[in-house]
Amino acid sequence: DAGVTQSPTHLIKTRGQQVTLRCSPKSGHDTVSWYQQALGQGPQFIFQYYEEEERQRGNFPDRFSGHQFPNYSSELNVNALLLGDSALYLCASTTGGTDTQYFGPGTRLTVL
Amino acid sequence: GENVEQHPSTLSVQEGDSAVIKCTYSDSASNYFPWYKQELGKRPQLIIDIRSNVGEKKDQRIAVTLNKTAKHFSLHITETQPEDSAVYFCAATPNYGGATNKLIFGTGTLLAVQP
Repeated sequence: DAGVTQSPTHLIKTRGQQVTLRCSPKSGHDTVSWYQQALGQGPQFIFQYYEEEERQRGNFPDRFSGHQFPNYSSELNVNALLLGDSALYLCASTTGGTDTQYFGPGTRLTVL
Repeated sequence: GENVEQHPSTLSVQEGDSAVIKCTYSDSASNYFPWYKQELGKRPQLIIDIRSNVGEKKDQRIAVTLNKTAKHFSLHITETQPEDSAVYFCAATPNYGGATNKLIFGTGTLLAVQP
C-alpha cells in the first residue's frame, strides 16, 4: 500500500517563473490538501481539493492554484514566483469526512 | 481568527526524562487535535491525535491531554530516548460541519534528547 508521494523532490527556479508540483494520495484517499512550510515554521494551509473541486482555501494569493484529477492525484501551480515562495511544499491526503491526514515527503522549492 | 500557539520552541532533556509540549488554540469550534513529529528533511508523521469528546489519550510512551475550557492541549513523552529527537508540531482543525478540515499548525518545538 503506497503512501502519499510527491514529485519532484527538489526544484530550483528563478523569480517570475512558473512551477507545477505533483501529489499522489495514499491508496483509498480522495481528498488532497496542500501546505507550505517555510524554514523553521509550521506548515501553512494553501488549499484542499475534493471531487476535483477546491473546497477550502487558506490565505494565499491567486498566484497559487491547483487541480485534482479523476484518479484523485493533484497538482499545485505557482505563477510569477517570488523569492518568498522558497519553501517545502507538502501535500496531505485523507478520505472525505475524516480527520486524519497523511503527509507526503514534500517538494523543496528554491527560488533564486 | 484561527491560531495555534506552541511552547516551548526548544526543549532539551536527558535520556529517560519526560518532555511536555503545550499548545493553545483560539477557535473554540476546533474539534480535532493531532500531533506530528518531523525529523530533519522528512515528512511530518502523525504520532497521536485526540478529539474534542475525549480528555486524554495514551499510546505507550506518548500521551495527549485536552482541556476544552481553557483551549489547551499538551503532548507528554515519558522515558525519552535519543530517537525522540525531532521537531514536534501540534495542530487544530476548526469544525466545518463534516468536511475534512484544514490543519492549523503551531510553530513547532525542537526536542533534543541528550544521551
